[in-house]
Amino acid sequence: DGGITQSPKYLFRKEGQNVTLSCEQNLNHDAMYWYRQDPGQGLRLIYYSQIVNDFQKGDIAEGYSVSREKKESFPLTVTSAQKNPTAFYLCASSTKIGGTGELFFGEGSRLTVL
Amino acid sequence: AQRVTQPEKLLSVFKGAPVELKCNYSYSGSPELFWYVQYSRQRLQLLLRHISRESIKGFTADLNKGETSFHLKKPFAQEEDSAMYYCALRAMNRDDKIIFGKGTRLHILP
Repeated sequence: DGGITQSPKYLFRKEGQNVTLSCEQNLNHDAMYWYRQDPGQGLRLIYYSQIVNDFQKGDIAEGYSVSREKKESFPLTVTSAQKNPTAFYLCASSTKIGGTGELFFGEGSRLTVL
Repeated sequence: AQRVTQPEKLLSVFKGAPVELKCNYSYSGSPELFWYVQYSRQRLQLLLRHISRESIKGFTADLNKGETSFHLKKPFAQEEDSAMYYCALRAMNRDDKIIFGKGTRLHILP
């Protein structure tokens, strides 16, 4: 079954703890993206990566970190420095740079910080 | 910096009436525009892209560079069109950065 898998679907953490959200794709896509979705705010870009071992900051990267050690994986760490971490997080992937640009999305991970 | 603006948070339209979801963008380079849709309890998915110039589920969108707009239109709304719609811009000169507007919820009234 091809696609993008995000885990966990729901996550609860205490304030001050770092949290890592998983994103795996078996579509052989080069580019991967992390967005944050808040009511009334749409999707805001956190980080993106076009190739293994390289990534760029999006518009709201502060308090987040990522790695891209493998083509199929792009985990997102929400650090204790993120002031408002409670949100719905979406991961997406697309084909190589200059391709169609279509993003394929995961089902999302909802993080609640208590 | 690039920006995508969707001025309407909510749009309610009667079944059979025309639909227009507005999208304006700001970008100094060559943009590529998309519309994504999220139906209830489904993943966000591509509806159409300006380069394809195609009609999907009766929806069309034309890129107007003079007005920097990419409005989504459908002549006759159907109840199954109720969903959240997002306009997105890919910055062709900026390493494939893709940003989204805040979205418009389309509610089709019976």
